[in-house]
Amino acid sequence: DAKTTQPNSMESNEEEPVHLPCNHSTISGTDYIHWYRQLPSQGPEYVIHGLTSNVNNRMASLAIAEDRKSSTLILHRATLRDAAVYYCILRPSRGAGSYQLTFGKGTKLSVIP
Amino acid sequence: NAGVTQTPKFQVLKTGQSMTLQCAQDMNHEYMSWYRQDPGMGLRLIHYSVGAGITDQGEVPNGYNVSRSTTEDFPLRLLSAAPSQTSVYFCASSPLGVHSNQPQHFGDGTRLSIL
Repeated sequence: DAKTTQPNSMESNEEEPVHLPCNHSTISGTDYIHWYRQLPSQGPEYVIHGLTSNVNNRMASLAIAEDRKSSTLILHRATLRDAAVYYCILRPSRGAGSYQLTFGKGTKLSVIP
Repeated sequence: NAGVTQTPKFQVLKTGQSMTLQCAQDMNHEYMSWYRQDPGMGLRLIHYSVGAGITDQGEVPNGYNVSRSTTEDFPLRLLSAAPSQTSVYFCASSPLGVHSNQPQHFGDGTRLSIL
């Protein structure tokens, strides 16, 4: 299974942009890149996903490198509510592995007021 | 909207006791799953189901049973609890279809301690 590598922790000042990196050098051509986050004492929450092109939604933006070996989750203006563990996850587009999310340890984001 | 509802939120068991963790969703999702999360770790898949009457094992199925008699409910059973099963348990659901594109919706978890 393709694996992801993320920094253990990051800090950001409130109202500043945050760039959360993820390396996935062994990604296959049909793997989707998904991001989830987990706020304290809650279940994971879907943030965004993409395949090749950059993606935007109301929560965040996802920038995918041209060779797809890395991606960056961008929070445009961090708020205190964004303090969470962020998980970068590869999902195969087909087969039994496509049903499950394989979580690593993620990046713990702290937001400083 | 209720989404994914897990009960109970907290439970303490003694070794050898049995119990059932409940999970219900009101979104008519075909896919449901159970994960466990140990301290400082990511979630690991226990069992999943792609529809009523269909279940399959995930990464860490030993010690757990599941069944899926309705679309809405997916209970997780511990037949003889062990201290190693102390964890936070999360239930998730999503539509099928192009499943790799479907976000999964998680409940708020059941915190289980086994003494």
